[in-house]
Amino acid sequence: QQQVKQSPQSLIVQKGGIPIINCAYENTAFDYFPWYQQFPGKGPALLIAIRPDVSEKKEGRFTISFNKSAKQFSLHIMDSQPGDSATYFCAASKTGRRALTFGSGTRLQVQP
Amino acid sequence: DTAVSQTPKYLVTQMGNDKSIKCEQNLGHDTMYWYKQDSKKFLKIMFSYNNKELIINETVPNRFSPKSPDKAHLNLHINSLELGDSAVYFCASGQGAYEQYFGPGTRLTVT
Repeated sequence: QQQVKQSPQSLIVQKGGIPIINCAYENTAFDYFPWYQQFPGKGPALLIAIRPDVSEKKEGRFTISFNKSAKQFSLHIMDSQPGDSATYFCAASKTGRRALTFGSGTRLQVQP
Repeated sequence: DTAVSQTPKYLVTQMGNDKSIKCEQNLGHDTMYWYKQDSKKFLKIMFSYNNKELIINETVPNRFSPKSPDKAHLNLHINSLELGDSAVYFCASGQGAYEQYFGPGTRLTVT
């Protein structure tokens, strides 16, 4: 049972474009939704996270949009750069369960 | 300073062998985790320890045995290695139930 579904599997954009990665969750008990960035050969790095009491959060060029009624959240990368090329994972967790449930990942390629 | 460190970075071994992966965090966090990333890059929780106490064991074969000697260390011992154990294993740490910080990973190859 895949509790967090992520799309697309891969994404190619031009430099300066705004890639959007989407995630949908099933468990309404989830109350924390982070995004992780992973470069080849490295561990996932926490990028930005949101709680369900807000609909949007921005940190630098990264924005999370959250739709509680639709049980969906997305990552937008403004003014994308070739250095943003990486695999992005959405995840979710809930109070009382100290573990992240990850989406399947999106491989982003930003072309110069 | 490395926040979450793992050793070794690479581990190549034969089927049937026993091996260990070590993890240390210097963030002062109370919870540590082991995650497995398979060949399709899917990340899945294996174990979670809070203050040296096992709190999550996610239907992992009992050939895998985590051990936490103290709050800053969480080791993973694997007995009788199988081909299907080949993966990247990540240690992570966190304070509370939310933010988690991952180590660089250990790529295990079983031949």
